[in-house]
Amino acid sequence: QSALTQPASVSGSPGQSITISCTGTSSDVGRYNYVSWYQHHPGKAPKLIIYEVSNRPSGVSNRFSGSKSGNTASLTISGLQAEDEADYYCRSDTSSSTLYVFGTGTKLTVL
Amino acid sequence: EVQLVESGGGLVKPGGSLRLSCAASGFSFSNGWMSWVRQAPGKGLEWVGRIKNKADGGTTDYAAPVKGRFTISRDDSKNRLYLQMNSLKTEDTAVYYCTTVPQRPEYWGQGILVTVSS
Repeated sequence: QSALTQPASVSGSPGQSITISCTGTSSDVGRYNYVSWYQHHPGKAPKLIIYEVSNRPSGVSNRFSGSKSGNTASLTISGLQAEDEADYYCRSDTSSSTLYVFGTGTKLTVL
Repeated sequence: EVQLVESGGGLVKPGGSLRLSCAASGFSFSNGWMSWVRQAPGKGLEWVGRIKNKADGGTTDYAAPVKGRFTISRDDSKNRLYLQMNSLKTEDTAVYYCTTVPQRPEYWGQGILVTVSS
């Protein structure tokens, strides 16, 4: 089971919006609506920010939103803030014996 | 307050064994499915394996790279999750996280470093 494909890096200025893509296959992203997104600051625990494609856990800013089309899921962060600078990972259920697959990760830089 | 605290990491030689422990508090551990996730240096997150709760059979599933070498277990009386790692390889070097993935609310520990090196 290969990792889901994400861009290695994205950047944006404060106040702007950015979108991170997460491309899988018909065996994972395309098959299930169980796509999650995580924010990970190095040295800290990953934080769930989106689950089941587009749902936000309680306490997560509505500046974070998720969507999916076919085999590609997307995370959009609007109104970029300095504290958004982190690594972002998607995760999907998969029909393979490796039940959950993560994305390759995207480093977000706030300019 | 929910806490997941990993312990038992360290340096081990290739071919060696190590057991990680995760102490859970602040939520109903016995009712939850639990997973281990790891992150190798400079790499992304990788799911390692999962154990269901006893009500759902307490069964385990593993990622292909660790199947047959790693074993996940739980002691609900102690609110503890374990990861027994045998036949360790250099590529198992990583920070290992204890987490309630795939259940929600989702909680993660701070992680523990395992280094496999001669």
